This record gives sequence, C-alpha cells and structure tokens, in this order.
Amino acid sequence: AQSVTQLDSQVPVFEEAPVELRCNYSSSVSVYLFWYVQYPNQGLQLLLKYLSGSTLVKGINGFEAEFNKSQTSFHLRKPSVHISDTAEYFCAAGIKAAGNKLTFGGGTRVLVKP
Amino acid sequence: GAVVSQHPSWVICKSGTSVKIECRSLDFQATTMFWYRQFPKQSLMLMATSNEGSKATYEQGVEKDKFLINHASLTLSTLTVTSAHPEDSSFYICSAREPSGTDGELFFGEGSRLTVL
Repeated sequence: AQSVTQLDSQVPVFEEAPVELRCNYSSSVSVYLFWYVQYPNQGLQLLLKYLSGSTLVKGINGFEAEFNKSQTSFHLRKPSVHISDTAEYFCAAGIKAAGNKLTFGGGTRVLVKP
Repeated sequence: GAVVSQHPSWVICKSGTSVKIECRSLDFQATTMFWYRQFPKQSLMLMATSNEGSKATYEQGVEKDKFLINHASLTLSTLTVTSAHPEDSSFYICSAREPSGTDGELFFGEGSRLTVL
C-alpha cells in the first residue's frame, strides 16, 4: 500500500518570504502526484500535478513542485508568499494502475504573517 | 476546470435523524465519484467509491449501512448519514474525475459540514 507523508504539520512564514512544503511518498510503482490547497470550510483546489515528463512542475498562484524519484519526494515551493496563501496544503498520490484513488498526506498548515 | 458542487454546505441535525448530502458534477458526466471525510485539522479519509448504476465500494472500517451512497445518475451521487450521532459530525467532501481528464486527477466539491447535536 502506498502512503504519503507531509513532514511539517504547520509552517509559519513571513509575507514575501519563500516557503517549501515537504512531501514524500512510498510506492513501488508509477504514481501520479498532486498538490491541493484548502481554504477554511471549503473543498480542495488543485495547485499542480505531476504525471510524467519534466520533473519541475509549475502550478497556479506562483507555486511549483519538483518530482524526485530517487528520493520519492514532491516538495512544493513558492518564492514569495502572500497573506492570501494562508491555507491548508495537501499532497496526494495516485497509482497509475489504480485509476482515481488518491492517498492524501496529513496536510501542512501554512500561516503567512505580515 | 470541471465543477463539482455539494449541497448543503452545512447542516445541523438532532441525534438519531438522517441527513442527505448531494454531490453533483455540473458540466460533465461522472461515472465514478468519491466520498471523503475530514475531521478538524486532519487529512481526508476516503470513505467510499460511488459507481453510477451499481453499489458503492466502501473502504475498510466504513459502515455501509450507516453511510448510504446512491449514484442514480451520471451527474449526481448522494451520501445519507443514517441515524446520525455526534461522532458523525465532520466535514464531508465529494470528488469526481472528468472523463477526459487525467487518471487520478479529481475535482472536489466545496464540502458539507455536518454537526449532530
């Protein structure tokens, strides 16, 4: 069974500073990888996804992530955060052969301080 | 992107009553939808896979008689929490995959917060 680990449950960061959210997955087969953002009392919005090809993936709102197969990681980064980036971020993995089932990490709460 | 909508967005009910939550795909047909449950400050836990025209597939530990899922059409899946109790209070989120979309990529509804008194 696959698992997704988000190493930081909470990340405080000052406005305009960079942020990195760490995500590691465990799977012996090919996976799809996703980052979602959740604002309070809302559903999930897709930030970006890795399917294949280039290991550096760019998403919405200035976020990007890098797939590292040897380290089984998919860390999310943003060079300069805004107050509006305060939210919960979830990393998720899906096995290509298993269709649409996603396994989510525990989430990382980003708190952007002025 | 594809739009998935849930209704109601929040509901408060008395213990012992049943509550129905709807999940609709607004601009695409979804043969499969997924229901997740999220406790405060926790991640999403898959409850079941809803299949149009057939029985839902429940994850281990989820009571199928407690959480009734019906996927009667290609755009609607419903989750009914039967005889709800306070421990059923949670945030329930549905998701669906657009047929022409990528395997694994899901679109999520806004979520429904259930509070059982």
